Amino acid sequence: RKEVEQDPGPFNVPEGATVAFNCTYSNSASQSFFWYRQDCRKEPKLLMSVYSSGNEDGRFTAQLNRASQYISLLIRDSKLSDSATYLCVVNDVGNEKLTFGTGTRLTIIP
Amino acid sequence: GAGVSQSPRYKVAKRGQDVALRCDPISGHVSLFWYQQALGQGPEFLTYFQNEAQLDKSGLPSDRFFAERPEGSVSTLKIQRTQQEDSAVYLCASSLGLAGGLNIQYFGAGTRLSVL
Repeated sequence: RKEVEQDPGPFNVPEGATVAFNCTYSNSASQSFFWYRQDCRKEPKLLMSVYSSGNEDGRFTAQLNRASQYISLLIRDSKLSDSATYLCVVNDVGNEKLTFGTGTRLTIIP
Repeated sequence: GAGVSQSPRYKVAKRGQDVALRCDPISGHVSLFWYQQALGQGPEFLTYFQNEAQLDKSGLPSDRFFAERPEGSVSTLKIQRTQQEDSAVYLCASSLGLAGGLNIQYFGAGTRLSVL
């Protein structure tokens, strides 16, 4: 079983719609959680960190459920520029390395 | 301000050839990481440095892979006797490496290695 699991998609969503991704992680000792965005043939870039209380950044909302070991990302009022691969990322206690999911590919359709 | 810089951006190697990939981290960043990203997959950890010390090399797939950061700044990932399965994008990342802090990793654009 992979340490971080995501639905690879693709998700094809009309512009303006709301889309949600989930991700599960296997290590209950994981301490830090992130969503990174990766455009085609580009490097991953941090979209947002995920906090236990949930956090929002404009149209993006991230939630963490430690009991169920899953992380979610909600994108409201989707834009064409949101088309990318979204990577769920976990960091374990006492270890700086990041563990990535396979990524979920999102395409926003005009 | 300069981000993480990697060179070359693209490398084509013949099977059996040795290659060296360079990473120049963000100035002042203590921690440096190498990841390997195969097509359609997320990045996978290879190795990690804190200054010049290689603290974790558990992700290196074989003894053909070697990384160094001799002066605690620029790092080189060397792959000896390349094989076709080594074809991937090699990503370098750096972070401040603050003890107990939330250390965000910033990635370079990567080196796309194709082994023929």
